[in-house]
Amino acid sequence: GAVVSQHPSRVICKSGTSVKIECRSLDFQATTMFWYRQFPKQSLMLMATSNEGSKATYEQGVEKDKFLINHASLTLSTLTVTSAHPEDSSFYICSASLSGGGDTQYFGPGTRLTVL
Amino acid sequence: SQKIEQNSEALNIQEGKTATLTCNYTNYSPAYLQWYRQDPGRGPVFLLLIRENEKEKRKERLKVTFDTTLKQSLFHITASQPADSATYLCALRDDKIIFGKGTRLHILP
Repeated sequence: GAVVSQHPSRVICKSGTSVKIECRSLDFQATTMFWYRQFPKQSLMLMATSNEGSKATYEQGVEKDKFLINHASLTLSTLTVTSAHPEDSSFYICSASLSGGGDTQYFGPGTRLTVL
Repeated sequence: SQKIEQNSEALNIQEGKTATLTCNYTNYSPAYLQWYRQDPGRGPVFLLLIRENEKEKRKERLKVTFDTTLKQSLFHITASQPADSATYLCALRDDKIIFGKGTRLHILP
């Protein structure tokens, strides 16, 4: 149980384009989803916390107009990287926590974004 | 704010031996600590959670300890196998969940 999927797993795009990443909880309802970014040999950095039906809460230093998050249902959250630039190239990982399940997070497999 | 330090960036252990990974935190003791495993190019997988009032937690070949005096959690893998090779992350809640940088464990056959 508690499976989270992400799509796509890998994307290469040109500078200036926008990329959408989907995160789905497959067998449970996720009240809260989280988006992380991870650079090589670095820790997971929380970008934003997303609650179903409300606006995402962004961490300090994360531009909300650049990283658009939509959590339209209890099983789907999307992250759109707008006008992507090479410095946005990273590994993006979403996670979800079970309603009433405390802080244990179930992570998706991640999306490798490469901006040329 | 709270900081997590996983002292070893990488650790090589001979197959069959016990691997011990360290996680230190800097400020107040959190209500609990979590340990995750991350394989290259994959998202982390939750392994164990240990609460402040628990000294030790076990799951199969895994054992986690929590010492609030030392502000430290130790993560042990007994009878280690090459398949245990991965990066292991500890995490705790400050005003949000924060993760350590992880320790890359290599089990040598």
